[in-house]
Amino acid sequence: AQSVTQLGSHVSVSEGALVLLRCNYSSSVPPYLFWYVQYPNQGLQLLLKYTSAATLVKGINGFEAEFKKSETSFHLTKPSAHMSDAAEYFCAVSFSGNTPLVFGKGTRLSVIA
Amino acid sequence: EADIYQTPRYLVIGTGKKITLECSQTMGHDKMYWYQQDPGMELHLIHYSYGVNSTEKGDLSSESTVSRIRTEHFPLTLESARPSHTSQYLCASSGSISTDTQYFGPGTRLTVL
Repeated sequence: AQSVTQLGSHVSVSEGALVLLRCNYSSSVPPYLFWYVQYPNQGLQLLLKYTSAATLVKGINGFEAEFKKSETSFHLTKPSAHMSDAAEYFCAVSFSGNTPLVFGKGTRLSVIA
Repeated sequence: EADIYQTPRYLVIGTGKKITLECSQTMGHDKMYWYQQDPGMELHLIHYSYGVNSTEKGDLSSESTVSRIRTEHFPLTLESARPSHTSQYLCASSGSISTDTQYFGPGTRLTVL
């Protein structure tokens, strides 16, 4: 069955530390992958997406993600966390053009001063 | 900048009332979606549409209904609101191909007393 899993519902890091948010998918064919961010009382905003052009994708706000087919993963990273990065992050997968995006359950990122 | 709008942003109503949540986009997108999300929780797809006069139910059973008479407009209606409908409702739209970004509106926070 096609699915997406985000490991860790809550991740806490210190300001300036590395951010690593995990996303794994289950699919027989490589899908297209997205990371979205949601700030309180707002809709979701695209951070970056993988569309098979390059396995390392750079997004907004200093975030990047690497598609690893062998590990069926698309983990989101940022070298140095900032207080403004505190938000909810969602990984999403497009398995087919005829079906809606499948979203992970989200990971809440807290940044400690 | 995504041009997708939702009104109202906040709504408090009594049990049994009929309500319509509005969603409009000016990007000419064929695909539109409605999600239900409790604060800090995962997204649940409740309805989607791939074009005018086309609507489908999502993964989460919902007592709401939708219509798609015009490309840019995708309203959601609750015939008789109940406290269990209290939640945030997010509207989104996207282009037709798998790699197209899904853009989200700011959401409507509904409280049913």
